[in-house]
Amino acid sequence: AQSVTQLGSHVSVSEGALVLLRCNYSSSVPPYLFWYVQYPNQGLQLLLKYTTGATLVKGINGFEAEFKKSETSFHLTKPSAHMSDAAEYFCAASTGNQFYFGTGTSLTVIP
Amino acid sequence: DAGVIQSPRHEVTEMGQEVTLRCKPISGHNSLFWYRQTMMRGLELLIYFNNNVPIDDSGMPEDRFSAKMPNASFSTLKIQPSEPRDSAVYFCASKGPNRASGANVLTFGAGSRLTVL
Repeated sequence: AQSVTQLGSHVSVSEGALVLLRCNYSSSVPPYLFWYVQYPNQGLQLLLKYTTGATLVKGINGFEAEFKKSETSFHLTKPSAHMSDAAEYFCAASTGNQFYFGTGTSLTVIP
Repeated sequence: DAGVIQSPRHEVTEMGQEVTLRCKPISGHNSLFWYRQTMMRGLELLIYFNNNVPIDDSGMPEDRFSAKMPNASFSTLKIQPSEPRDSAVYFCASKGPNRASGANVLTFGAGSRLTVL
């Protein structure tokens, strides 16, 4: 079975600093990979996805993620954090109709 | 597109009462998922449907929970009788058919926050 691990349940960065949220998946077959963001009292919103092709994927709000098969990783980055980036972030993997979510990383942005 | 629509957004009820949560998936999507989110357990898949047929209900906690999808545009999640430990946010999500535009992406509704007193 697939599993997704997010390292660090809480991450704090200063405004303007680099954001790095880590995600690793376990699978011998690379699945489709996703990052979702959840703002307070809202549903999960797709940030970006990797299916096939280019391994560096750009998403909304300046986020990007790189699929590294050799490391089974799909880390999320943003060069400069903004206060509005404070939210919960979920990494997910899917194979067909099976979706596997990480436990989430809460991002705090310090002014 | 209005996205995935869930109702009610908030529900407060007393223990023992029946609760019905509703979901309208995105038009053209043929897979529908019900999730539950709590602080303690995170995001849990309860059940998913493909073409209105329940495929995997192994996440349904117990017989008090039931879900139906009578047609492609409507699904319900029912809890009867409800208990305080059912308090959570319940999300519905839908997905388009494989090879279609937007396939392999789950689109979530805004959620239904349930409080059982």
